[in-house]
Amino acid sequence: DAMVIQNPRYQVTQFGKPVTLSCSQTLNHNVMYWYQQKSSQAPKLLFHYYDKDFNNEADTPDNFQSRRPNTSFCFLDIRSPGLGDAAMYLCATSRDGGRGGETQYFGPGTRLLVL
Amino acid sequence: GQNIDQPTEMTATEGAIVQINCTYQTSGFNGLFWYQQHAGEAPTFLSYNVLDGLEEKGRFSSFLSRSKGYSYLLLKELQMKDSASYLCAVMDSNYQLIWGAGTKLIIKP
Repeated sequence: DAMVIQNPRYQVTQFGKPVTLSCSQTLNHNVMYWYQQKSSQAPKLLFHYYDKDFNNEADTPDNFQSRRPNTSFCFLDIRSPGLGDAAMYLCATSRDGGRGGETQYFGPGTRLLVL
Repeated sequence: GQNIDQPTEMTATEGAIVQINCTYQTSGFNGLFWYQQHAGEAPTFLSYNVLDGLEEKGRFSSFLSRSKGYSYLLLKELQMKDSASYLCAVMDSNYQLIWGAGTKLIIKP
C-alpha cells in the first residue's frame, strides 16, 4: 500500500546530542512537510519541500534542519536538542501543495524524548 | 494574525449526536479541512469544504459558512471508537494549512 513511513516511532536522545528523524513516502508526492506537535496543541509547521525547493517557516529555530536527497525521503535533523524539543514530529506529503482541496497524508509520527 | 478557534474538550454519550464548532480568521481561504487524531497517532483526513453548505459522509457531516468564518463537524450515532481529537484546519491564500488546537471528544457509554 502507498503510504508515509516514519522511523523510528519512538526516539530517545540526550540533551544536546544531535538526532535525525526520517520519513519516506511511496506516494510520489511533490511536497513533504515536517510538523512539530506538542500535547493538546495544534501541529506547528517547521518547513516543507516542494520538490527540491526548501521553504523554512520564519519562526522555526536554526536548531532544526532538513534534507530531501530524493523524492521519496526527507530527514529532520535536530542539531542540539533541548528539553523543549520533546514532542511528536509528524511528516506529511501532498501531491501538489494543497491546490484543489487535496489533503495532506500523514505518517504515524516519531515521538521524541529528550533526557 | 491568523486564528482558528474550537472548543478544547467535549463529552457525549454513545449513540448520540455531537457538533464540534470551528471559527476562523485567516489571510485568504482555500478550503477547510477536518482531521481526526487518536491519542499518540497521526491526523487522518475526514472532510473538506470549500463552498458553503453541508457535506455528508456516512456518520460524519461538515458544514461551512464562509461569510461567517464558521464550520462545524457533526458526528451521528457516536461509537466509543470516535473518542479522539478533532482538528479544524484552514488553507490560506498561500496554500498553507492553519491548524486549530483540536477538540478532544470523550464518549461515555
